[in-house]
Amino acid sequence: EVQLVQSGAEVKKPGESLKISCKGSGFTFANFWIGWVRQMPGKGLEWMGTINPGDSDTRYSPSFQGQVTISADKSIITAYLQWSSLKASDTAMYFCARSDYSDNNGPYRWGYWGQGTLVTVSS
Amino acid sequence: QPVLTQPPSASASLGASVTLTCTLSSGYSNFKVDWYQQRPGKGPRFVMRVGTGGIVGSKGDGIPDRFSVLGSGLNRYLTIKNIQEEDESDYHCGADYGSGSNFVMVFGGGTKLTVL
Repeated sequence: EVQLVQSGAEVKKPGESLKISCKGSGFTFANFWIGWVRQMPGKGLEWMGTINPGDSDTRYSPSFQGQVTISADKSIITAYLQWSSLKASDTAMYFCARSDYSDNNGPYRWGYWGQGTLVTVSS
Repeated sequence: QPVLTQPPSASASLGASVTLTCTLSSGYSNFKVDWYQQRPGKGPRFVMRVGTGGIVGSKGDGIPDRFSVLGSGLNRYLTIKNIQEEDESDYHCGADYGSGSNFVMVFGGGTKLTVL
C-alpha cells in the first residue's frame, strides 16, 4: 500500500527555521516525483514545488522560489520542505503528494497525498 | 500559464446530481485538468483527470462510478450522481504547465459542495 506519512504539527516563532518531512512507503521512492502543496486557513491549494528523489531535479513555483527549500534523501525514502526564517504568513497546512506519472514535461496526476503538517508561526 | 476558475460553492440534495465546473483561461483549451476531492479536515484525494475527450487514464483509488467527467472548450466538468453525504467536500481542479525549470502546477480556488 502506497503511503506518505508526514511529520507532526509545529509551532514556531517568526525568524525561526523549520524542516518538515514526508516519508514514503509501498513504492520505489526514487522513481516518483514528490510535490509540496500549501493550504492556508480556509483557502485553496497552492503548488509550491516538486522534486525527483532519484536525481534531485527540483522545480519551484515562482511564488515560492527562494522562500523554501525542497530536498529528498532516497536512502531513507523521505522528502523535506524547509524554511530558514519563518514568517507569520507561513502559517498553513502543508501537504506532500506523489505523482503517479511523469513525461518529458514533468510530473502529473498526484495520486497519493500525505495527511498534512500544520505549521503555526506566532510570536 | 493557465488560470483555473471555479465557483466557490455548490449545493445539491441527497440523491440528486450536481456538475462542478473548472474553467481554463483563454488559449488553454487543449489542457487536461485533474480533479481532487478534499473532505473536511483531510488531505486531497485524486478523483480523475479530464481533457476535451473525457477521462484521461483511470479514476483514483476508491472513486465510485457515480463520479464522471467531461471536457468541452475551456470547461472541465465533474459530475456526481446520486449524491451521498460523504460527497460533501471541497473539490479542487489543477493543471500542470511548462517543462523543465519552467514547469509549474496551478490550482483553481476550489468549490465547496454542500449536500442538503
